[in-house]
Amino acid sequence: EVQLVESGGGLVQPGGSLRVSCQASGFTLSTYWMSWVRQAPGKGLEWVANIKQDGSEKYYVDSVKGRFTVSRDNAKNSVYLQMNSLRAEDTAVYYCARDGPGRPRDYWGQGTLVTVSS
Amino acid sequence: QSVLTQPPSVSAAPGQKVTISCSGSSSNIGNTYVSWYQQSPGTAPKLLIYDNNKRPSGIPDRFSGSKSGTSATLGITGLQTGDEADYYCGTWDSSLSAGVFGGGTKLTVL
Repeated sequence: EVQLVESGGGLVQPGGSLRVSCQASGFTLSTYWMSWVRQAPGKGLEWVANIKQDGSEKYYVDSVKGRFTVSRDNAKNSVYLQMNSLRAEDTAVYYCARDGPGRPRDYWGQGTLVTVSS
Repeated sequence: QSVLTQPPSVSAAPGQKVTISCSGSSSNIGNTYVSWYQQSPGTAPKLLIYDNNKRPSGIPDRFSGSKSGTSATLGITGLQTGDEADYYCGTWDSSLSAGVFGGGTKLTVL
């Protein structure tokens, strides 16, 4: 059974940093692109970033470029999102999602809440 | 302001049919495949449709998708109260080099 479990969310002050993690199981992580998608309270989905199977390609939404970094450790079955210079508008539930072949975001984790506030 | 445009809400009675539109441009919908996601309250999104019109295993054939030019449509027949949820279209935008979603459509089954 495919499972994605996010962790690392919490309360952080504006300008601070946080790293959220996604632990994958039930499939071979090294053969899939992976994405991060966020959802601000009461708002819609926003794609944040994705990373190729070997980490050689990464893409970001403009609003996080230069502040967020996506990475992965296939040996540890994990994907990460390092978030720096956090702003109030980054407050959201962050979901990790698998990008299946031809099936973008075919499995999602339960999400982890990141709150940026003083 | 989302790159893809969806109606904020739609509604229909149980047993009826509803369609949800998703409008984009030549750099996204007009250039690649569209997916649809269902998000029930308090839960993570779930993939409903991929490659414009394909259903993952376990998704009933009451759900269908289509695409024409720079627009896509999700159709749901035989509406059930359990279909009440938010529905999102999504794709890749080649100009932005980024994934994009519609703003979401709230389905109410009256």
